[in-house]
Amino acid sequence: GAGVSQSPRYKVAKRGQDVALRCDPISGHVSLFWYQQALGQGPEFLTYFQNEAQLDKSGLPSDRFFAERPEGSVSTLKIQRTQQEDSAVYLCASFNLGLSYNEQFFGPGTRLTVL
Amino acid sequence: ELKVEQNPLFLSMQEGKNYTIYCNYSTTSDRLYWYRQDPGKSLESLFVLLSNGAVKQEGRLMASLDTKARLSTLHITAAVHDLSATYFCAVDKAAGNKLTFGGGTRVLVKP
Repeated sequence: GAGVSQSPRYKVAKRGQDVALRCDPISGHVSLFWYQQALGQGPEFLTYFQNEAQLDKSGLPSDRFFAERPEGSVSTLKIQRTQQEDSAVYLCASFNLGLSYNEQFFGPGTRLTVL
Repeated sequence: ELKVEQNPLFLSMQEGKNYTIYCNYSTTSDRLYWYRQDPGKSLESLFVLLSNGAVKQEGRLMASLDTKARLSTLHITAAVHDLSATYFCAVDKAAGNKLTFGGGTRVLVKP
């Protein structure tokens, strides 16, 4: 597709459930980022992949958060035993070094609500 | 730790008037981005500023970067209702690095 896509767009989970959020980056983009945006705040970095390698996961808030990109394209962010504080919009972004000023292109996000 | 601060957090504008949003950041960086976000939507790239003194303009929006002062401004000329949105600035230390965002400036343009 032409842009970054994410699914589902909305997810409601009961506290304690596991969730999986998917990101399809722009075709051919090597780099992929996940960000978390709480209501009324700016996005905050979670983790970064270059191809299938997870090069930075310093922003993951706890060991309940896990991300993977096994084939270097689609990525999944998994949250285990969800808590109410996990409620946020999860944004995925991709880019290719050397193209378009190296800017990141963002997907529409997944809005997660934990009840 | 890189920190990015925007002000004001909220800006109520009158149509036809001019306004400025400020973005300060804490450590050296030559790369600054401005994004627009409409309610319930993702981030739309507005400007990429890559060097000291960079100035870019698109329609009623103009962005500039002063790397020595660690300051970027987003200037809105003759505000119109369509510009109502939340505006974020973001900084990265180098190409390919994670973005650090400001808290956003919520803009509401009233007739």
